[in-house]
Amino acid sequence: DAGVIQSPRHEVTEMGQEVTLRCKPISGHDYLFWYRQTMMRGLELLIYFNNNVPIDDSGMPEDRFSAKMPNASFSTLKIQPSEPRDSAVYFCASSLIAGDIWLTFGAGSRLTVL
Amino acid sequence: GQNIDQPTEMTATEGAIVQINCTYQTSGFNGLFWYQQHAGEAPTFLSYNVLDGLEEKGRFSSFLSRSKGYSYLLLKELQMKDSASYLCAVRGSGNTGKLIFGQGTTLQVKP
Repeated sequence: DAGVIQSPRHEVTEMGQEVTLRCKPISGHDYLFWYRQTMMRGLELLIYFNNNVPIDDSGMPEDRFSAKMPNASFSTLKIQPSEPRDSAVYFCASSLIAGDIWLTFGAGSRLTVL
Repeated sequence: GQNIDQPTEMTATEGAIVQINCTYQTSGFNGLFWYQQHAGEAPTFLSYNVLDGLEEKGRFSSFLSRSKGYSYLLLKELQMKDSASYLCAVRGSGNTGKLIFGQGTTLQVKP
């Protein structure tokens, strides 16, 4: 199994530009999570999906952030327009069921907004 | 609200034993997880407790007391490669799979 695959691994952009982060969960996993990690705030849950449907987006910072999951094997997190305070590592994670099974994280996308 | 507290940093000596504590206050409880995260890498699963008591897995053990809102991760026979951040995470009520993470404890193992 290839694990959770994220792209890009690193992105440097200028303030005001649109950023799209991508995630391919582990095949068969029906939960997908987007987390953001910074030194100040640690690992924060942004949004999660169950069977491609957004269940809880209460962690999404503001309207500049949006996430989609058009099918079971692909999700995107978009920031438009980006701001320097969005600089962080964004992790995607998936899990098989909501029971005792833990989350498996992707390698993360490190975003720097200048 | 939800609150998960861990010490920010700890230092220990190679070959020793270290205990990393975690206290939590959450709306409902449906399991506590420990993750290890090396610098620049993704968190990886270490252990899971849902009932009170100790879960042992090789050099690592995790303890839970639900009545006290308390857990600890015990690392024995420390190795240099154990230098990493250790994240405590709690799943609230319901069967949603959603995990709330603490800030993490950065452990430095010295020779």
